[in-house]
Amino acid sequence: SQKIEQNSEALNIQEGKTATLTCNYTNYSPAYLQWYRQDPGRGPVFLLLIRENEKEKRKERLKVTFDTTLKQSLFHITASQPADSATYLCGTAGGSYIPTFGRGTSLIVHP
Amino acid sequence: DAGVIQSPRHEVTEMGQEVTLRCKPISGHNSLFWYRQTMMRGLELLIYFNNNVPIDDSGMPEDRFSAKMPNASFSTLKIQPSEPRDSAVYFCASTPSSNQPQHFGDGTRLSIL
Repeated sequence: SQKIEQNSEALNIQEGKTATLTCNYTNYSPAYLQWYRQDPGRGPVFLLLIRENEKEKRKERLKVTFDTTLKQSLFHITASQPADSATYLCGTAGGSYIPTFGRGTSLIVHP
Repeated sequence: DAGVIQSPRHEVTEMGQEVTLRCKPISGHNSLFWYRQTMMRGLELLIYFNNNVPIDDSGMPEDRFSAKMPNASFSTLKIQPSEPRDSAVYFCASTPSSNQPQHFGDGTRLSIL
């Protein structure tokens, strides 16, 4: 079965820097990878989806990459702000694949 | 627009009791998912429905768990009898189709004493 791995250690960065979060999958290449933001006491909120045949996707200060050779997706937040502090989840999606999520990485942006 | 609505937001009950969690998906969404989230295991899929029909329930831990979707606007997840290890946050999510992003509710925080 598919397994999604995200860095369990919190990522601490200074405001204004670029945050980079890593998501690795272990088995078959998923049709899609998606990234969600989760705040304490709330459900995950969708941010970006990238398809297997796309190398990069952007939305405002967010950028996602998908490298099928490395079996990895990177999630970047440029010009980070304290309001970006949250837990970010990576997950598979699409077709007949059972949705699978990583445990998430906590991002803390210091002013 | 109303998002996915879950109730109750919090539930505290004693072991052995029956627990029923409720979910109202976004209108027009054909797929509905139930997840369980814990610190140790993260977000785990329990079961998902497509057009009210259960498609995959391989994530349901054991026979104590059951889920129903009697119509397109309502689903329940039931635990009977409940055990302390069932304590977690349970999320419901819906999506127009399986290859589109999911919309999550804010979850039910369940504590079994």
